[in-house]
Amino acid sequence: DAGVIQSPRHEVTEMGQEVTLRCKPISGHNSLFWYRQTMMRGLELLIYFNNNVPIDDSGMPEDRFSAKMPNASFSTLKIQPSEPRDSAVYFCASSLARLIPSEQYFGPGTRLTVT
Amino acid sequence: AQKVTQAQTEISVVEKEDVTLDCVYETRDTTYYLFWYKQPPSGELVFLIRRNSFDEQNEISGRYSWNFQKSTSSFNFTITASQVVDSAVYFCALTLGDDKIIFGKGTRLHILP
Repeated sequence: DAGVIQSPRHEVTEMGQEVTLRCKPISGHNSLFWYRQTMMRGLELLIYFNNNVPIDDSGMPEDRFSAKMPNASFSTLKIQPSEPRDSAVYFCASSLARLIPSEQYFGPGTRLTVT
Repeated sequence: AQKVTQAQTEISVVEKEDVTLDCVYETRDTTYYLFWYKQPPSGELVFLIRRNSFDEQNEISGRYSWNFQKSTSSFNFTITASQVVDSAVYFCALTLGDDKIIFGKGTRLHILP
């Protein structure tokens, strides 16, 4: 089975540009998570969806960040406009939500560099 | 407050030594779940184990073992007879409710040949 797929794997962009990160969760999983990882702040949850509906976006840094999940097999995280402090590795993870918390399966990440 | 503390930022051991990674957590929930994840140099996080708060039995999986002690709010991870391939960053995590989990800062483990 394919794992969580993320694209692109690397993105270098200039400050002010729009960046779109993409994620395909594991087929059959109904929860999807976006994380950001930096040396200073570690792994931070940005937003998570259950059955394509955003459940908690309290971790989204500011209005420049937005996320969508138009269907069960695709999600995007958009940053507009990007800033150098957005440079980080962004992970997407999915899980099969049940009555008890499930393990999350992570994608390979997108390394974003904003110059 | 819900919190996970991994006090060991970085550990280096020589191959074949045993090593224990510490994890201390804080939670106000009576039912909760703890996790360990491994992040090898390739970058992808890999799930290792999930443990619920009602099960204090130690778990062993090959060279890996986990010691959960509710009395000290700890969920420590031991690698026996370490190997170079065990070199990675290891994260301990705690449920926040729903499906959300909070991660510790991680412990970077170096296994020296």
